[in-house]
Amino acid sequence: GAGVSQTPSNKVTEKGKYVELRCDPISGHTALYWYRQSLGQGPEFLIYFQGTGAADDSGLPNDRFFAVRPEGSVSTLKIQRTERGDSAVYLCASSLGTVGETQYFGPGTRLLVL
Amino acid sequence: TQLLEQSPQFLSIQEGENLTVYCNSSSVFSSLQWYRQEPGEGPVLLVTVVTGGEVKKLKRLTFQFGDARKDSSLHITAAQPGDTGLYLCAGSSGGNNRKLIWGLGTSLAVNP
Repeated sequence: GAGVSQTPSNKVTEKGKYVELRCDPISGHTALYWYRQSLGQGPEFLIYFQGTGAADDSGLPNDRFFAVRPEGSVSTLKIQRTERGDSAVYLCASSLGTVGETQYFGPGTRLLVL
Repeated sequence: TQLLEQSPQFLSIQEGENLTVYCNSSSVFSSLQWYRQEPGEGPVLLVTVVTGGEVKKLKRLTFQFGDARKDSSLHITAAQPGDTGLYLCAGSSGGNNRKLIWGLGTSLAVNP
């Protein structure tokens, strides 16, 4: 499959723990986006990478959230000291990186913080 | 803050009926996109509209972008059970701003 893949598909953790969510974008896509979607809501923008750098991280809710893309391909979203309110589906999307391009979404990682 | 209001939030209709979903904002968008999302999957792009007044058709789906580029609608003719899903609109302010502003979605159920 040549689509966006995300791992794990489901993650259950305890309040206060650290989690990492991984996104493998479509090969050749320079832009990568992270979104968070709560039940019954639309996606909420978190951060956007162009290559290795975070071009816009204005959607990260607080300093417990951090994302990296060290080689301009795979990205990891890291959440420290998880809280129950962090429970949501975390979506990743990638695109070619040109203006107005289509974003292709992965299936998401369902995070449940107990 | 840019917001997109989507209505209705929930819609349950019988097969063969027509429906319209609305997406409204007080802000101007350079483009607006409609997505469909099924349970356990990410959103899939249906269409992008960029010109005020633009109308695009995709089989039984008709998308319209308002003249002022602040609102859009999605009309489905003769709905089928396969149309069931969450329909989302998302707006872009364009330029170097790649962030999409999303509506809350319309959950559509088409009953056979």
